[in-house]
Amino acid sequence: AQSVTQPDIHITVSEGASLELRCNYSYGATPYLFWYVQSPGQGLQLLLKYFSGDTLVQGIKGFEAEFKRSQSSFNLRKPSVHWSDAAEYFCAVALSGGYNKLIFGAGTRLAVHP
Amino acid sequence: EAGVAQSPRYKIIEKRQSVAFWCNPISGHATLYWYQQILGQGPKLLIQFQNNGVVDDSQLPKDRFSAERLKGVDSTLKIQPAKLEDSAVYLCASSDNRDPEAFFGQGTRLTVV
Repeated sequence: AQSVTQPDIHITVSEGASLELRCNYSYGATPYLFWYVQSPGQGLQLLLKYFSGDTLVQGIKGFEAEFKRSQSSFNLRKPSVHWSDAAEYFCAVALSGGYNKLIFGAGTRLAVHP
Repeated sequence: EAGVAQSPRYKIIEKRQSVAFWCNPISGHATLYWYQQILGQGPKLLIQFQNNGVVDDSQLPKDRFSAERLKGVDSTLKIQPAKLEDSAVYLCASSDNRDPEAFFGQGTRLTVV
C-alpha cells in the first residue's frame, strides 16, 4: 500500500540555524511530491512541489527540497530558519496519472528558539 | 482568484446529533477532496470527487458519513449521528485536471461533546 513517512514528530532549532525535514514515500512509481505548511488554526499552504525534471526544487519562504529516487525521499531544507517558520509541515504524494489521490504524512512540528 | 471557501469555521455538537459542512471550490476545479485531520495527525482523505462523481471513498465511514457534490461545484459533507471520535478539523481542497496541486480551505473545526 502507498504510504508517506515523516520520521520526526517534533524538531526544535535555533533561529538562524539550518533545517532539514525528512520525508520518505512508498509507491510503485515516481509520484508527484509536495510539501505543505500549516500554522495553528489555518489551512494548508503549499511550499513547493515536484513533478519532474530538476530534482532540486525551490519554493516559497526560502525553502527548497530535493527528490532522491534511489532513496524514495523528498527532504525539505532551509539554510536559515526564522521564528515565523514555527509551524507544522506535511509531506504529501499523489500518484501520477489516474485521479491524483493525495496522501499525507503524519507531519513534523517545528519549534524555533530565539 | 477566490480560494476554497468552507463554512462554518467552528461547530460544537452533542454526540448522536447530526452536522453538515459546506465547501465551495476554486472556480473551474474538477477535483474536490474532503479530509479529516485529527489533532496531532496528518490529513486523512475521506472522499474525492471528479466533477460530481466519486472516485475514492475507501476511508469514508459510510454508516455515518455522507457527501455529495451536486452539479460538480459545491459539496456538502454530513455526519449523522456524530461520535466523540469525529472531533477533528474537516478540510476541503480542490485541484484542476491539469495540475495535481491541491488548494485548501481554512477548514471546519468540529467538537463533539
